[in-house]
Amino acid sequence: SQQGEEDPQALSIQEGENATMNCSYKTSINNLQWYRQNSGRGLVHLILIRSNEREKHSGRLRVTLDTSKKSSSLLITASRAADTASYFCAPNSGGYQKVTFGTGTKLQVIP
Amino acid sequence: NAGVTQTPKFQVLKTGQSMTLQCAQDMNHEYMSWYRQDPGMGLRLIHYSVGAGITDQGEVPNGYNVSRSTTEDFPLRLLSAAPSQTSVYFCASSSGTSGGTGELFFGEGSRLTVL
Repeated sequence: SQQGEEDPQALSIQEGENATMNCSYKTSINNLQWYRQNSGRGLVHLILIRSNEREKHSGRLRVTLDTSKKSSSLLITASRAADTASYFCAPNSGGYQKVTFGTGTKLQVIP
Repeated sequence: NAGVTQTPKFQVLKTGQSMTLQCAQDMNHEYMSWYRQDPGMGLRLIHYSVGAGITDQGEVPNGYNVSRSTTEDFPLRLLSAAPSQTSVYFCASSSGTSGGTGELFFGEGSRLTVL
C-alpha cells in the first residue's frame, strides 16, 4: 500500500473562490480517490480517477492526475461554506490492499 | 439503506477493561477495515480484511484484535484498554471494484474514552 500526502495542510478562502489542494504519492497507481470529512463525521467518497485518466469532473469538483509527477489535484470551484471540511487522497496500487490516509487538507470557506 | 453501521457511538472505559466495537455492513462488501483518528490527525489503519476468515494488520495493530467470521461483520476488540487508545474509531468497507480497493464506505464513528 502507499499513503498520499496532501498539501497544503490548511487552506482558508472566501465563499465563491476556488480551492485547490494537491496530493503526492510515491509508487505507480491503479487509481486515486479523494474523500471529504466533515467535522466529527466519517469520510465520504468524492471521486475516483483511474491511472489512464488525466482529468475528471463531478459537479463543482475537478480532479487531475499526472502519473509522471505522481501527483493529483482537487479543485473545488465556486466554494460554499458547506465545503468546509478536511479532504484526503488515497492512492491505490491495485488489488485488494490496505488503504491508508495522510493528514489531509483542512479547508475553511468563510461566508 | 443502512450502509456501514458502527456501535456503540460513544463509550467510556476504565484502564484495563476490555470491549468490542461492532461494525456491520449490508452491501456484501469483501473488504472491511478499521481506522483510528486522533485530534488534528489523519486516519491510521488498525486492521483490515479482504474476506471472511482473512484478516491482516495495518499501521497500528497493537492492543487490538479482529476476526471476520461473516462477510457482514468485522468487530474490533480492545483486550486491555489504555488511555492511549482514546480516539475516534471508524469502520469502512469496499466492494473492490475499479481494479482494486474501490470506493470506501465509512461508518459514522465510535468515540472511545479510556480513563
